[in-house]
This record gives sequence, structure tokens and C-alpha cells, in this order.
Amino acid sequence: GAGVSQSPSNKVTEKGKDVELRCDPISGHTALYWYRQRLGQGLEFLIYFQGNSAPDKSGLPSDRFSAERTGESVSTLTIQRTQQEDSAVYLCASSLTRGTYNEQFFGPGTRLTVL
Amino acid sequence: RKEVEQDPGPFNVPEGATVAFNCTYSNSASQSFFWYRQDCRKEPKLLMSVYSSGNEDGRFTAQLNRASQYISLLIRDSKLSDSATYLCVVLTAGRDDKIIFGKGTRLHILP
Repeated sequence: GAGVSQSPSNKVTEKGKDVELRCDPISGHTALYWYRQRLGQGLEFLIYFQGNSAPDKSGLPSDRFSAERTGESVSTLTIQRTQQEDSAVYLCASSLTRGTYNEQFFGPGTRLTVL
Repeated sequence: RKEVEQDPGPFNVPEGATVAFNCTYSNSASQSFFWYRQDCRKEPKLLMSVYSSGNEDGRFTAQLNRASQYISLLIRDSKLSDSATYLCVVLTAGRDDKIIFGKGTRLHILP
């Protein structure tokens, strides 16, 4: 069956531009997560959705970052006025629901490079 | 103290050897634990959940020590294909469930 997909797979942008990253979770998965992983570093939690709601936005690094989810499906992570420190792989994951022992399935990530 | 801590490694281990690494967590209320595996430039994938009584999956054994607040992963008869980064994941249930990934332990299996 289809897994989590993300687009684009690679994005190169100039400092100051806005970017939109898309995540298509596994159908029927109500929980969706966004993480950031800088080169050689661990996963940094950004935000999660339960349905279309985002109860925990504590991980968003600044107000330049926002995310939305519609139809309990697709999610978009938007970064405004990108900075070089935003360069990283942005990973999306989904799980059946948010709770114990629910495996997170990860997409392949979007590699963002800000010049 | 960090919420989830792992020795970053790398652990360089000859093929066929046994290797173990730990992950410590700071919140005693944490209740679910997992090991994920991440290959170079790939996404993380679930390796195994960690149950209170400890569990085994083939060459892999996971254990939980609540008193000392750590989980462990032991790999027996290591294979070259075991080379990867192993991420510890801790879930703390509450009003807002919190899922925290450790930064990972890098493992290199040497031929």
C-alpha cells in the first residue's frame, strides 16, 4: 500500500523566499507529525496534528514557520522568509492515532537548501 | 538533564560481535518506548517497541529498566547490514502526549 509521501523531494531556494512543503499521510492515519533533521543531527519535533487540529505547536522554531492540515489528510509546512539555518531535511510522519504503541511511518523527507 | 539521551557513538564493531547501547530518559512518567533505525540519508523506520518485560525479535533484544530510567538495545551476531543510526523514542502520555526522539547512536559493523 502507499506510504507517506512528501513533495518536493529537494528544494533549493534563496534566502528570504517562502517555501511550502507538502506531506500526504497514509490514508486513515489521524495523527501527522513534522520533524526537522539538520545534517548529522537528531530529529527535532516541530508540530503534530490530531485530525486537522494542532494541539502542540511548541516545536515550531519561530513565527516564520506555520503548518496546516485539511481534510484530515494533506498537510503543508510553510516557512516564510527562509534563512540559511532553515536548511535541513523536513520529515513528515503519520500514525493511526496519537497514542501508545502507534508506530510512526515516515515519509522520505524534503531536503531544503537555503542559499 | 536532557529528556532523552543517547551516546552518539560511533560504535565500530566487527561483524559477528554482540553490541549493546542504552538510552536514558528523564521523565519517570514516560510510558512507551521504541527503537527506530535510520539508514544514511533515509527516513527512520520502526525497529521494535520496548515492552516492560523486555522483548526479543530475532537477533535484537530490547529491555526497559524503569528504576534507572533507561532502555537498551542488544544486537547479537551483528551483520554488515546492521550499520545504521539507532534512535530511541520515548512517549509520555498526558494532556498533550509528548513523543521525543533521541539524537541516535551510530553503529558501524566492520567486515
